[in-house]
Amino acid sequence: EVQLAESGGGLVQPGRSLRLSCAASGFTFDDYAMHWVRQAPGKGLEWVSGISWNSGSIGYADSVKGRFTISRNNAKKSLYLQMNSLRPEDTAFYYCAKGATGSVAAAGPDYWGQGTLVTVSS
Amino acid sequence: QSVLTQPPSASGTPGQRVTISCSGSTSNIGTNYLYWYQQLPGTAPKLLIYRNNQRPSGVPDRFSGSKSGTSASLAISGLRSEDEADYFCASWDDSLSGHVFGTGTKVTVL
Repeated sequence: EVQLAESGGGLVQPGRSLRLSCAASGFTFDDYAMHWVRQAPGKGLEWVSGISWNSGSIGYADSVKGRFTISRNNAKKSLYLQMNSLRPEDTAFYYCAKGATGSVAAAGPDYWGQGTLVTVSS
Repeated sequence: QSVLTQPPSASGTPGQRVTISCSGSTSNIGTNYLYWYQQLPGTAPKLLIYRNNQRPSGVPDRFSGSKSGTSASLAISGLRSEDEADYFCASWDDSLSGHVFGTGTKVTVL
């Protein structure tokens, strides 16, 4: 059974940093791309970033480009999102999601974690 | 701001057929696969349809997807109370070099 467990969310002041982690199990982690998708409370879904199976291809939404950095450690079966210069509009549930293939672009997510809430406020 | 447009709401009585549309452009739906996700209240999204019209194992055949040009649709036949949820379409966008989601449609079972 595919399981994705996010951690690292919380309350942070504008301009500060936060690092999210996602622990994966139940599948061959290094065969698949991974994604971060966020959802502001009561709002729709927004793709944040994706990373290919071997970290060779990485993409970001324009809204986070230059501030967020995605990375993965295949040996630890873990996905990360380093979020710098946080803004109030970054407040959202952040979901870790498994890609359906090893490529970021070829397919969207097929399994999602339960999400971790990031609140950016002074 | 979402690139893919969906109606904000749809409704039907138990047993009816409900259809949700998703409108995009040549850089996303017109060129790439379309996915549909179901999000039950208070839970994470779940993949409902992949590659335009394929159902993952475990998804009832009451759910079906189709695509034509730059638009797509999700049909729910034999509507049930447990289908009450938010539904989102998604696709890769070649111009944005990223995945894009629809605005979301809330389905209500009357």
